[in-house]
This record gives sequence, structure tokens and C-alpha cells, in this order.
Amino acid sequence: DGGITQSPKYLFRKEGQNVTLSCEQNLNHDAMYWYRQDPGQGLRLIYYSQIVNDFQKGDIAEGYSVSREKKESFPLTVTSAQKNPTAFYLCASSIGKIGGGDTGELFFGEGSRLTVL
Amino acid sequence: AQSVTQLDSHVSVSEGTPVLLRCNYSSSYSPSLFWYVQHPNKGLQLLLKYTSAATLVKGINGFEAEFKKSETSFHLTKPSAHMSDAAEYFCVVSYSGYSTLTFGKGTMLLVSP
Repeated sequence: DGGITQSPKYLFRKEGQNVTLSCEQNLNHDAMYWYRQDPGQGLRLIYYSQIVNDFQKGDIAEGYSVSREKKESFPLTVTSAQKNPTAFYLCASSIGKIGGGDTGELFFGEGSRLTVL
Repeated sequence: AQSVTQLDSHVSVSEGTPVLLRCNYSSSYSPSLFWYVQHPNKGLQLLLKYTSAATLVKGINGFEAEFKKSETSFHLTKPSAHMSDAAEYFCVVSYSGYSTLTFGKGTMLLVSP
């Protein structure tokens, strides 16, 4: 089955630790995204990548880092610099570039819930 | 700047009654509009999308939405709610030339027996 796999589903972290959330897709999509979801806030864009070895900051990139070494993979690292990292993190992909004539439909993973103790 | 407003944070209906979830977007030519649904602790799933074809869009699970340019609205409706419709719904807009989507803050739909 084609789709997006996020792991781990639940993660606990002590303050001061970096953690990496995995996101893998087998849809052969060019673009991938990381969103953060907090209650009542909707989804906020952290980082996105439209092609391998290239990525752009979203609205709330501070305290996060990403890499895109392979088309299928877009891991997100939550660093100790992120002041309030407890949240639900969603990875998504799209066939092509949003706003560039594509429909803009996103395909989402099941999410990773990070809790800082 | 592009924006989308979901007018209700919570909507409560009884099973079998109609559902109306309201969404307004900031005015621009050529928007693409989407409704997504999210069940607890899950990812988002596309319900339907408008991309400048027919203004009345039919989606999955009996939902539909109408694009009204004069009102800058894209409200989501369903004639008869089912218990399984209880979830959070997000209205999303995309504009030509912008490389990201803009999400509304979500509307939680509660369905009582």
C-alpha cells in the first residue's frame, strides 16, 4: 500500500535533548512537509521540501531542522532550542509543487505525538 | 496575505440532522480550496477540493461544498449527520504562485445520538 509512514507514534523527551521524527513516503511525491498541530491552532508549517537536497523554512522553523537526502525521506529534528516542543507533528507530501499548477492536495501520515517531560 | 477563517470552533448536531461548517477565505483570483477531516490522533484525510471547475463539489461520505466567489465562502454541508462524522474539519486554501497552503484553525463537529 502506498502512503506516508511516521515514527515513532509517541515519543517522550527530557528537556535539553534533541529528538528526530521519521517520515517516509512511497508515493513517489516530489514535495514533503512538516506541520505542527496544537489544540485550537490549526496546522502550522515548520519546513517543506520540493526537491531532494533542498528545503525551505515555514512559518515556525526556529528550533527545528530537517534534511532531504532521499526523495522518500524527510526527517525532522526537534532541537533543544525549541522552547515549547510538546505537540502533535504531521508529515505530508504532494505530487508536485503547490501553487505551481498542481491541485495542492496533501497526503498525510498518522502523526507523531511528542511530549517533553 | 492569504488567510482562511472557519467561523465556528465547535458545531454540535444530532444524528440524522444536517451539518453546516462555515469557511471564508481572503479574496484573490484563482484560489484552490479544500476540506480535510481529522479523527482523534490521526492524520488528515481529504474530503473534497475545488480547483476552478464546477462550483458545487461533491466529496466522500456524502459531504459537499459550494464555492461562492461573491461571498468568498466555501461552506461544507451534509444532509444527514452520522455518528462517525464526529471529527475535526479543516478548511484549506491555496493560491497560484504561493508554494504553501493556508489552514483554518479547525471546526470540531460533535454528533449526539
